[in-house]
Amino acid sequence: SQTIHQWPATLVQPVGSPLSLECTVEGTSNPNLYWYRQAAGRGLQLLFYSVGIGQISSEVPQNLSASRPQDRQFILSSKKLLLSDSGFYLCAWSLNLNYGYTFGSGTRLTVV
Amino acid sequence: QKEVEQNSGPLSVPEGAIASLNCTYSDRGSQSFFWYRQYSGKSPELIMSIYSNGDKEDGRFTAQLNKASQYVSLLIRDSQPSDSATYLCAVNGLDDKIIFGKGTRLHILP
Repeated sequence: SQTIHQWPATLVQPVGSPLSLECTVEGTSNPNLYWYRQAAGRGLQLLFYSVGIGQISSEVPQNLSASRPQDRQFILSSKKLLLSDSGFYLCAWSLNLNYGYTFGSGTRLTVV
Repeated sequence: QKEVEQNSGPLSVPEGAIASLNCTYSDRGSQSFFWYRQYSGKSPELIMSIYSNGDKEDGRFTAQLNKASQYVSLLIRDSQPSDSATYLCAVNGLDDKIIFGKGTRLHILP
């Protein structure tokens, strides 16, 4: 069966520090991968998605970036965090969008 | 821009009653429709998907789709306190991503 791993679960980082969040999927090949952010009391904001290794589509211009170095690995990064980057970051995967996404457990990031 | 609209709530429903959650979407080309449940502090979990007009039942949950009216709903029968959560309506717009509504907070009153 397929599983998705996301870490860390919580993270407190100072303003201006770098960020690296990792997501891996097991038990499948060539999944579509997604990074979402959910700010407190707000909806899910799609940040990046990838349909294959090295293929990244950005939905929102900001100080975040994403990479997909391996088929089942998706990384969200920032060189310098802003206070506004605080939120709940969710990775998701799908083989066929007709069946929806499966989300990871999420990373709660607090920038202080 | 493709949109999915939901009433943010909170929707308060007595235990044992029927909870009715509604959603409208803007893209007439949408093919697949989903309901996710999100408990506070947790990630969303897919609970229902529907693809054709009409009703789809799964246990206490019934999803309803009306493509002509661009309307999706979720009924929860015999509501339980454990159903208290935020319910996200989502739509597949056939462009490699799913569009989510902002969610409706449901509170089941014991």
